[in-house]
Amino acid sequence: QKEVEQNSGPLSVPEGAIASLNCTYSDRGSQSFFWYRQYSGKSPELIMSIYSNGDKEDGRFTAQLNKASQYVSLLIRDSQPSDSATYLCAVNKAVGNKLVFGAGTILRVKS
Amino acid sequence: GAVVSQHPSRVICKSGTSVKIECRSLDFQATTMFWYRQFPKQSLMLMATSNEGSKATYEQGVEKDKFLINHASLTLSTLTVTSAHPEDSSFYICSAITTKGGYTFGSGTRLTVV
Repeated sequence: QKEVEQNSGPLSVPEGAIASLNCTYSDRGSQSFFWYRQYSGKSPELIMSIYSNGDKEDGRFTAQLNKASQYVSLLIRDSQPSDSATYLCAVNKAVGNKLVFGAGTILRVKS
Repeated sequence: GAVVSQHPSRVICKSGTSVKIECRSLDFQATTMFWYRQFPKQSLMLMATSNEGSKATYEQGVEKDKFLINHASLTLSTLTVTSAHPEDSSFYICSAITTKGGYTFGSGTRLTVV
């Protein structure tokens, strides 16, 4: 079992739609969860961080965390072509403070 | 705030030579830095954790004698790829834990071994 699992996609949505990205993790001791966006050839950039169960909203982005189900998601409202990228779910491991990444989901927003 | 400067951004080297990649925290002290490697169309794979003043901790399967990590100060960590071979060609990214507990990333180094 991978430590952090994501559907690789690609996930294609029309411009203006909601994109829903999902992630599961295996380490029940993890306390910090992150969503990063990565464009080809570039370093990841932080979109959202979430630490408590429930929803956290920031602009067009909403992160959802359910620790009981070991599940994290990211919703992108009013998707734009510029949102097209690879979205990486990252989880902080309980031991060592290491950040472990999922394989990433490719999102394509079509105009 | 919490900026990590990584260089070089791109490097091409001949097979058998060594390459050094540097990461500097510009506006904070980075007690812990992480080094990742990313092959095309794959995710970031953690190679090692470096702590200032102590030996790096390598992930399973990463050759510590090939990937030398030095974290001699609170603002500088280096990764040296020794005796590089074409299969070492990859995108190398450093990351540091910020004083606020988040993670900040360097801009990455594209290594091509010919």
